[in-house]
Amino acid sequence: GAGVSQSPRYKVAKRGQDVALRCDPISGHVSLFWYQQALGQGPEFLTYFQNEAQLDKSGLPSDRFFAERPEGSVSTLKIQRTQQEDSAVYLCASSQRDRDTGELFFGEGSRLTVL
Amino acid sequence: RKEVEQDPGPFNVPEGATVAFNCTYSNSASQSFFWYRQDCRKEPKLLMSVYSSGNEDGRFTAQLNRASQYISLLIRDSKLSDSATYLCVVSQNSGYALNFGKGTSLLVTP
Repeated sequence: GAGVSQSPRYKVAKRGQDVALRCDPISGHVSLFWYQQALGQGPEFLTYFQNEAQLDKSGLPSDRFFAERPEGSVSTLKIQRTQQEDSAVYLCASSQRDRDTGELFFGEGSRLTVL
Repeated sequence: RKEVEQDPGPFNVPEGATVAFNCTYSNSASQSFFWYRQDCRKEPKLLMSVYSSGNEDGRFTAQLNRASQYISLLIRDSKLSDSATYLCVVSQNSGYALNFGKGTSLLVTP
């Protein structure tokens, strides 16, 4: 497909488990963003990549969260030792241009539930 | 305090009504402004950018007041399909992170 693809769409984890969420951006898009959206809230910025470089990780809530994009296309968001407060939808978005773009193309998200 | 504040609603309006949403932002260095739309359990999608002079796209009109740090969205002749959450989005010109408000929920009823 031509859009941003995320997997898994749904993930249930027991507290303390590690999870990995994958994002396949639109081909050729330079910028990739991860956002966290809790129920009833707007998306909250987590981290940003320009190609393979992680230029901003200021939104990652703790050192349990780690993201990578080693070849400048597919990205993985890893959460170690999951906690109940990590339950949310994790949205990946990509953009053709670097910096300051209004149009982010979002994937459908990975819904994480931590029991 | 969140950088972008919106009234969460819900706004329940009949078909054909005009409805307005407001949003305030706290960072005076913000340079780019947008409205995104998010349907239930779906991803956000860009509805329109907001320009200083105000701009219109069909039934939708967006306005920006930099002095008051206030953004608005007006929807005329509401359709059932307009039911969604409308997210106010702000970013600094030199930054890359879009900051989203919590969203305003709109329900258009027959």
